Parts: sequence; C-alpha cells; structure tokens
Amino acid sequence: GENVEQHPSTLSVQEGDSAVIKCTYSDSASNYFPWYKQELGKRPQLIIDIRSNVGEKKDQRIAVTLNKTAKHFSLHITETQPEDSAVYFCAASGNQFYFGTGTSLTVIP
Amino acid sequence: KAGVTQTPRYLIKTRGQQVTLSCSPISGHRSVSWYQQTPGQGLQFLFEYFSETQRNKGNFPGRFSGRQFSNSRSEMNVSTLELGDSALYLCASSSLAGASYEQYFGPGTRLTVT
Repeated sequence: GENVEQHPSTLSVQEGDSAVIKCTYSDSASNYFPWYKQELGKRPQLIIDIRSNVGEKKDQRIAVTLNKTAKHFSLHITETQPEDSAVYFCAASGNQFYFGTGTSLTVIP
Repeated sequence: KAGVTQTPRYLIKTRGQQVTLSCSPISGHRSVSWYQQTPGQGLQFLFEYFSETQRNKGNFPGRFSGRQFSNSRSEMNVSTLELGDSALYLCASSSLAGASYEQYFGPGTRLTVT
C-alpha cells in the first residue's frame, strides 16, 4: 500500500517568516494530495489540495507544490501568523487516503 | 449547510465491552469514511461507505465494523474493546465515492477504554 512520510515533525518559526512542510509518497497511482490543519481539540480542516495533473496551487498565503517524478509535495505558508499554529497533516490518495504523521507548527509572536 | 456531526463526543468504556459511534454527513454527501487518530499512529483509515455499501477497508481487525443507512448516516461498532482502542475516532464525508474528492471531518468521538 501507500506510505506517506512527513517532515519535520515539529517546526517553530518567527511571526512573519515562512514555513515549509514536506511529504513524500510511494504509490505512483496516488492522484490527490490534500493538506489539513488541526488546531488543538478541533477537527482537521481542509486548507488546500492539489491533483496530480497540477504542479502548483496557491491560495493567499498558502501554496502547495507537487513533484510527481520525485513523488513529493510540499506545503508553503508565507507571512506566518500566530493563528497558523496547529498540527498540519498531508495525505495522498488513489483508492483511499493515507495520512502523514503530522507537523506541529508553532509561530512565535 | 450544517457540517459533519458525530455522537457521542466522549465515551468511557471498560475492556471487553462494545461501543457504537454515530456519524451524520453533510447534507447531500453520500460517502462516509472513518478514521482512528492516535498520537503515535496519526490518522489511520478504517473504512469507507457509499450508498450503504462498504467500498474500502483499512487494516484493522474484524472487531471494527460499520454500516451506513439509506439517509447516509453511518455507525461504527467496536466489539470486545481493548486498551489500545483508546483514540479519537473521526468520520469524514464526501459528495462522491473514492479518495479523489474533498473530505470534511466531523469533530470526532473521544473513546477511552479502561
């Protein structure tokens, strides 16, 4: 089956700096790659997603890039704010969703 | 539209008991997936239901089962509870079947097995 690895597991940045979270996957049949944000005690919220026929997608301060050849995709958050502090999960899916183990992002004011 | 709802939000059970969790998807969504979330294992896929049929199943023992009703509401059952079943159980709904469509999560049911 699919194997999704996510790095780093924890990330601290200063407010205003950028944050990058990287994921790799193993199954070339995976074709949909969502990112979820989970604040403490809350449900995971879909923040951005990308499909295998697209290399990059941007939504305001958030962007995702996908390299199908290398089988990796990344989440980029620019101009980070304290409210960006949360756990972020990547996922890869073809027939079912496989999630990374999460990155705990802390934005220091 | 109302979001995905799950009941109950918290449960405490003892080893050997069984438990049933409920999930109501977003109106119009026909696909419901279940996940187990633990600090060590992250989000693990349990199963997906679409139009009352199980489409896909993760790598969990047969003690974990589910079903979906004609109104798309889904239930998950865990029998003969073990301490390791303590986790947050999340369901997610999607408008279409399969894993290439946006999923929206419910708030989860926190199950504690003592």
